[in-house]
Amino acid sequence: RKEVEQDPGPFNVPEGATVAFNCTYSNSASQSFFWYRQDCRKEPKLLMSVYSSGNEDGRFTAQLNRASQYISLLIRDSKLSDSATYLCVVNSGGRRALTFGSGTRLQVQP
Amino acid sequence: DGGITQSPKYLFRKEGQNVTLSCEQNLNHDAMYWYRQDPGQGLRLIYYSQIVNDFQKGDIAEGYSVSREKKESFPLTVTSAQKNPTAFYLCASSISREAFFGQGTRLTVV
Repeated sequence: RKEVEQDPGPFNVPEGATVAFNCTYSNSASQSFFWYRQDCRKEPKLLMSVYSSGNEDGRFTAQLNRASQYISLLIRDSKLSDSATYLCVVNSGGRRALTFGSGTRLQVQP
Repeated sequence: DGGITQSPKYLFRKEGQNVTLSCEQNLNHDAMYWYRQDPGQGLRLIYYSQIVNDFQKGDIAEGYSVSREKKESFPLTVTSAQKNPTAFYLCASSISREAFFGQGTRLTVV
């Protein structure tokens, strides 16, 4: 089983739609969780950290469910500019290096 | 401006040759990382270093070598022992939990 698993997609949604991605992780000792965004042929950039209480940044909401070992990302009112690959990232603490999921590709269509 | 610089952006190598990818940061970060990304895949950890003169193997270290003689620099050598070196290589640094990435080097073996 992969340490971090994501549905690769693609998710094709119309502008203005709400879309949600889930990501599961296998190491129950994982301590830190993040969503990164990666545009085609570019480096990943931090979108948001994921806190136990859940957190929101504008149209983006991240949730953590430790009991079921998954994190989620909700994007409301999708924009064309949201088209990208969204990477779920987990820090399992022991070696203090981030483990990346394979990414979920989102394509927002006009 | 502070940041991470990877060079070159594109690199072509003949089979059987070693090649070194440069990564320099002026963010005063202790930790540095090398990841490899293949098309449609997530990032896989090659090597990481938490402090000068110390580094650890990641998940796919075979065929690669690194050094960390200075805090600012973490070069990656792709040796001839790496059987499938064509990929996108990303260097990152961090001081707490978030990782900052360079723009990457696309290595192609010809």
